[in-house]
Amino acid sequence: EPEVTQTPSHQVTQMGQEVILRCVPISNHLYFYWYRQILGQKVEFLVSFYNNEISEKSEIFDDQFSVERPDGSNFTLKIRSTKLEDSAMYFCASSVQGSGNTIYFGEGSWLTVV
Amino acid sequence: DAKTTQPPSMDCAEGRAANLPCNHSTISGNEYVYWYRQIHSQGPQYIIHGLKNNETNEMASLIITEDRKSSTLILPHATLRDTAVYYCIVRVGTSNAGNMLTFGGGTRLMVKP
Repeated sequence: EPEVTQTPSHQVTQMGQEVILRCVPISNHLYFYWYRQILGQKVEFLVSFYNNEISEKSEIFDDQFSVERPDGSNFTLKIRSTKLEDSAMYFCASSVQGSGNTIYFGEGSWLTVV
Repeated sequence: DAKTTQPPSMDCAEGRAANLPCNHSTISGNEYVYWYRQIHSQGPQYIIHGLKNNETNEMASLIITEDRKSSTLILPHATLRDTAVYYCIVRVGTSNAGNMLTFGGGTRLMVKP
């Protein structure tokens, strides 16, 4: 069964450092998403991406964050200067354009900022 | 997206059916009901979705009331591995929609031996 894959599974970084989280969405999917979940809290939407541009973003997704589809398979989330409060599990997701439009999630990348 | 209301927690005996309710009284005509679950801190796992008819797949059944204001997710024979947080989410499902899912607190289902 096709799945969304994410790397790394866990990353520890120092405050102020740049981090790139990588995702390989399901191959025939056209919409891509990043969500995050701070420990003990709800899963929160960050951004959606379609046709090489951001289609929606939340208030959380400020200028510190950026997304990119550098090639035909990868989808990345960059955090330019990490803060302690960026520590969270980051989930990549994708969906195919079409009726139903079910979103499928990866297993997440756990980011710890120290 | 319409707001949903779910009980914060439920218990179920292993091997019995787990019935998880969800209220979505403000659902619009073009909004689907989606169910996901999250086991520990893993990625949310899609279970099932429906618009107005009852749906069944290999994981679960979804029963939607005729007025569409509430639904029930049924796990027919719950196992210990079904212990998870279950999320009921309503969202527009048109063919051009890439809009996000809005997660609430969900129902924490504990399956007990």
